[in-house]
Amino acid sequence: NAGVTQTPKFRILKIGQSMTLQCTQDMNHNYMYWYRQDPGMGLKLIYYSVGAGITDKGEVPNGYNVSRSTTEDFPLRLELAAPSQTSVYFCASSYAGSYEQYFGPGTRLTVT
Amino acid sequence: DAKTTQPPSMDCAEGRAANLPCNHSTISGNEYVYWYRQIHSQGPQYIIHGLKNNETNEMASLIITEDRKSSTLILPHATLRDTAVYYCIVRAEGTSGTYKYIFGTGTRLKVLA
Repeated sequence: NAGVTQTPKFRILKIGQSMTLQCTQDMNHNYMYWYRQDPGMGLKLIYYSVGAGITDKGEVPNGYNVSRSTTEDFPLRLELAAPSQTSVYFCASSYAGSYEQYFGPGTRLTVT
Repeated sequence: DAKTTQPPSMDCAEGRAANLPCNHSTISGNEYVYWYRQIHSQGPQYIIHGLKNNETNEMASLIITEDRKSSTLILPHATLRDTAVYYCIVRAEGTSGTYKYIFGTGTRLKVLA
């Protein structure tokens, strides 16, 4: 099992550009999550999904969108990139809400 | 949502036990305590979790006080590879039966040779 994979590893965006961060898991987990981690801080939940077709907001959803058309994939979309979105983004999955989460390696995004 | 308080940093000699404390005084009765660690800038890695009983697995032990207001993660024989940021997390119930993790800033553990 590859676990949770994320692409790209690094990206530099200009203000106002858009991009999609990809996340795929091969563990057949129902739950998937997107977090962001600012320097020296803990992780903050952006969006999560409890299954295909179902998504909900976390603590910091503004400026982001998600979709979940399959069990495996949970892409995160930034529509109008802003410098405040410079961060490391982690995707995670779990079998169910009460089970431990498995994290991907992260995407380091810089918006200038 | 219950918050956690951890010391920002700790040192531990290699081969000795590392005891990492966490305060979660506002935890409610059905909220679990989870511990994760983050090595360098990798994704966090699950270590252990518990509700009110002490727990042990191949990585660590978790001691939760009887009033559940604090807990301690114990790495019995720390190695250099245990150098990481350790997060004590209270799992809070979200909407529709889901759960969410409330991350704090963690404890940066440095294991010294």
